Amino acid sequence: DAGITQSPRHKVTETGTPVTLRCHQTENHRYMYWYRQDPGHGLRLIHYSYGVKDTDKGEVSDGYSVSRSKTEDFLLTLESATSSQTSVYFCAISDLTVPSYNEQFFGPGTRLTVL
Amino acid sequence: ELKVEQNPLFLSMQEGKNYTIYCNYSTTSDRLYWYRQDPGKSLESLFVLLSNGAVKQEGRLMASLDTKARLSTLHITAAVHDLSATYFCAVPPRSYNTDKLIFGTGTRLQVFP
Repeated sequence: DAGITQSPRHKVTETGTPVTLRCHQTENHRYMYWYRQDPGHGLRLIHYSYGVKDTDKGEVSDGYSVSRSKTEDFLLTLESATSSQTSVYFCAISDLTVPSYNEQFFGPGTRLTVL
Repeated sequence: ELKVEQNPLFLSMQEGKNYTIYCNYSTTSDRLYWYRQDPGKSLESLFVLLSNGAVKQEGRLMASLDTKARLSTLHITAAVHDLSATYFCAVPPRSYNTDKLIFGTGTRLQVFP
């Protein structure tokens, strides 16, 4: 299994509070991704990173920010959590190398509940 | 904007039967990825299809890619209960930019005796 951990694994928080989720990898992969998974929507990309301090928005980035100060860590922050951000969050990593360009490997997920 | 559609969304099938899951996508791409997710678990990479006509097989699952038709199929042969899971296909949004993937909504497969 790819060395990807996410913390916390479960979190319950209240509307309006800040929340930070952490993704940590030991594979030295260049690319890291944050997705959310909701019933009926599959996986939707929130933000991704293509290198240290290099990030870009995905399709559902509103209300989220990210930071990557080290290759191994990618943080996802909800500045002021809302109930619509209740979801399961997955981190993924990849490296655009032969032979399987951008095969993404997923972390175990974080279940976030915003009350 | 790339759209990735899977059908069926839900499939209930009897053990021993064969069936095919379809993944259609709306823009040009020469690669496609299949993932499996067990309930409450993470996603596991199943197949990476990197060219037109690519075919990969693992046990009772076989995936193929037709880039001209913008279609991939995941064929299940003689289904067993252990194949019960949700299957996702994923496609890069542009053929020249593969650093992101757009996922289909998934096909939930349930295999019963």
